[in-house]
Amino acid sequence: DVKVTQSSRYLVKRTGEKVFLECVQDMDHENMFWYRQDPGLGLRLIYFSYDVKMKEKGDIPEGYSVSREKKERFSLILESASTNQTSMYLCASNLANFRDRYYYEQYFGPGTRLTVT
Amino acid sequence: KNQVEQSPQSLIILEGKNCTLQCNYTVSPFSNLRWYKQDTGRGPVSLTIMTFSENTKSNGRYTATLDADTKQSSLHITASQLSDSASYICVVSALGFGNEKLTFGTGTRLTIIP
Repeated sequence: DVKVTQSSRYLVKRTGEKVFLECVQDMDHENMFWYRQDPGLGLRLIYFSYDVKMKEKGDIPEGYSVSREKKERFSLILESASTNQTSMYLCASNLANFRDRYYYEQYFGPGTRLTVT
Repeated sequence: KNQVEQSPQSLIILEGKNCTLQCNYTVSPFSNLRWYKQDTGRGPVSLTIMTFSENTKSNGRYTATLDADTKQSSLHITASQLSDSASYICVVSALGFGNEKLTFGTGTRLTIIP
């Protein structure tokens, strides 16, 4: 079974703090993703990575950065947390799809509910 | 702009009854359509994935249909159980270069009551 784990289920931080969210997958997936989920908006892609040290901006990268030093680990960093970053953060991973199939299923972690006060 | 719309936003049904959730999309170029189940406070879990050549796919009591001509999909749940209470998210994939771009619907919140 694919397993995607996230370092915290719940996190409370103060405005201006630097926040690290960690994600680890154990299936040797090339691609890893960070999403945020807000009521009425669905999941929105923040950043993704298709290889170690590689990253691409998603739809809403402002205020976030990422780090991928090892294939299995993808970190989301909030340099200076703000109240509008209060949200559910979901990490996902999948195999790269430049092989004989056009798609590979994305597997999600359990999520981190971040509250910034 | 790629969009995925789901209806209804929420639904309450009695345990044992059937229900159907709807998904309309405008995504191009279409690659595949996925249905996910998300329990409260958890990450989404995949139920089905369908390409344009598949018009129906089942996973236990869940049956998804796809009409690529009208750009509509439905998820039918048979003989609902209390554990079916969750949000159901429709996700449509567009093909890109070397990767794919997912567009997520906002979900249908399903509540099963005993």
